[in-house]
Amino acid sequence: QVQLVQSGAEVKKPGASVKVSCKASGYTFTGYYMHWVRQAPGQGLEWMGWINPNSGGTNYAQKFQGRVTMTRDTSISTAYMELSRLRSDDTAVYYCARVTRHIVVVPAARDGMDVWGQGTTVTVSS
Amino acid sequence: QSALTQPASVSGSPGQSITISCTGTSSDVGGYNYVSWYQQHPGKAPKLMIYDVSNRPSGVSNRFSGSKSGNTASLTISGLQAEDEADYYCSSYTSSSTHVFGTGTKVTVL
Repeated sequence: QVQLVQSGAEVKKPGASVKVSCKASGYTFTGYYMHWVRQAPGQGLEWMGWINPNSGGTNYAQKFQGRVTMTRDTSISTAYMELSRLRSDDTAVYYCARVTRHIVVVPAARDGMDVWGQGTTVTVSS
Repeated sequence: QSALTQPASVSGSPGQSITISCTGTSSDVGGYNYVSWYQQHPGKAPKLMIYDVSNRPSGVSNRFSGSKSGNTASLTISGLQAEDEADYYCSSYTSSSTHVFGTGTKVTVL
């Protein structure tokens, strides 16, 4: 079945970086855009950016420009999200989420997100 | 990019219908038919309920329906059930090829 399995919880100090992985299975990894979304404790969903797993092209929310890097390794069907210069307000659950339809059907990452990872808790604390 | 505006809470009795609004701008909700709705229960990942304004993914109850008028999209839940109690978020594709989520709405079944 189609699923996304994320790496485990992380505890980081302010100023450090964190890299979260998202391993895809059950479908053609390079055929579907992948988004990253985060949710701070008690808060709403916040879109961070997307990556085209085929080309490696990315687009980030302005808020995270310069601090976030999204990459992928097609050989192991895994997407990564690295956030640097961590602050306490980066404490959140980070999700990867696959778009609903194949890149050929809906281009430019316009689609909704129908498959989600289980979430990775990142805690930033001194 | 500012978050789309949703009411903080909506409530209804079992069997009733409720509607959640999601207001954006002509650069997101009003400009594209790529509005999605997500349901999130506490401690769980979001679940896609509606995509492309009004399409339901396979397996989602037909009690959930979506629509859009101008810069405002809406999610209607008919025949409200206890299991519908959750947080709901809208999202939209934007003119910058980004996405933006709504502020979220807590649905309470009385």
